[in-house]
Amino acid sequence: RKEVEQDPGPFNVPEGATVAFNCTYSNSASQSFFWYRQDCRKEPKLLMSVYSSGNEDGRFTAQLNRASQYISLLIRDSKLSDSATYLCVVNSWNNNDMRFGAGTRLTVKP
Amino acid sequence: DVKVTQSSRYLVKRTGEKVFLECVQDMDHENMFWYRQDPGLGLRLIYFSYDVKMKEKGDIPEGYSVSREKKERFSLILESASTNQTSMYLCASSPSGGGSYEQYFGPGTRLTVT
Repeated sequence: RKEVEQDPGPFNVPEGATVAFNCTYSNSASQSFFWYRQDCRKEPKLLMSVYSSGNEDGRFTAQLNRASQYISLLIRDSKLSDSATYLCVVNSWNNNDMRFGAGTRLTVKP
Repeated sequence: DVKVTQSSRYLVKRTGEKVFLECVQDMDHENMFWYRQDPGLGLRLIYFSYDVKMKEKGDIPEGYSVSREKKERFSLILESASTNQTSMYLCASSPSGGGSYEQYFGPGTRLTVT
């Protein structure tokens, strides 16, 4: 079983739609969680960290469920510019050891 | 602005060649990482380093070695390139401590081994 698993998609949604991605992780000792965004042929960049209480940044909301070991990302009012691959990242409490999911691809269409 | 640069965007090498991939960061970060990214597999950690002259194996170190002689530079070496090492190679850096583990990535090197 992979340490971090994501639905690879692709998710094809119209502009203005709300879309949600889930990610599960296997290491119950994991302490830090992130969503990264990767545009086609570009490097990954941090989108947002995920905190225990959940957090929101504009149209993006991240949630953590430690009991079920999953994190989620909700995108409201999707824009064309949201088209990208979204990577779930889980940091084990072990000297910056990070595990990346394979990514979920999102395409927002006009 | 954090900047991580990699020596080449595209590289084509022959089987058996020795390959050097260079990565430089300008933010005085302690940690540096080398990943490879393949479709359906995501990013897999090859090696990482917490300090000068220090290295730790990641998940897939076989066939690779690294060198960190200066804090800002982390090199990945393919001793004898093979076709299964054709991949996108990404370097990253991060500061240590403070609970902040954001990694900053370079633009990547797409390596093709023929």
